[in-house]
Amino acid sequence: SQQGEEDPQALSIQEGENATMNCSYKTSINNLQWYRQNSGRGLVHLILIRSNEREKHSGRLRVTLDTSKKSSSLLITASRAADTASYFCATDAAGANSKLTFGKGITLSVRP
Amino acid sequence: EAQVTQNPRYLITVTGKKLTVTCSQNMNHEYMSWYRQDPGLGLRQIYYSMNVEVTDKGDVPEGYKVSRKEKRNFPLILESPSPNQTSLYFCASSLQPPPGYEQYFGPGTRLTVT
Repeated sequence: SQQGEEDPQALSIQEGENATMNCSYKTSINNLQWYRQNSGRGLVHLILIRSNEREKHSGRLRVTLDTSKKSSSLLITASRAADTASYFCATDAAGANSKLTFGKGITLSVRP
Repeated sequence: EAQVTQNPRYLITVTGKKLTVTCSQNMNHEYMSWYRQDPGLGLRQIYYSMNVEVTDKGDVPEGYKVSRKEKRNFPLILESPSPNQTSLYFCASSLQPPPGYEQYFGPGTRLTVT
């Protein structure tokens, strides 16, 4: 079953703009992670946010987590053409050890 | 360099011909897993391994086998491949099992079964 669902499915912005991507999930979680995938390549871990955290930053990335709404957002500020990729959220459900469930991904295109 | 390697990167085969996709990590990770990625379906876990000789089914294990005889290696075996196993496959590893550990992914193996 799909735990994380990203929104929108695709996003196209101009270089320099901010990109906001959302992830919703259904059951309580321990942690939520965001990954990036360049076309046809392996996923690369971006950031992990724990269920007791509300916001986390890493460089131009800002992740928020709202456990009451069961949702997370990934903000990329001052986007660059090199940010063009697919972005996935992944959750590990509370009580379900050893399993990480990925969403279907968001395709981000940053136009130069 | 810390990495997960997979071989081969590309494979075209015929229905029924047994194949093995190798996966190796050099980070002394306990946890390893296999995913397949299909358009519109995202990543789905096939099998995972908590440690040597400990493996378990993921969401889509049918038609696949795995083994974990050494900590660093986690091969994926397709005993009798079928066209519906045409997909992009990823091996991943982490220091410990979820929750709370980032996954390191291999570069992927694109498999076509005709």
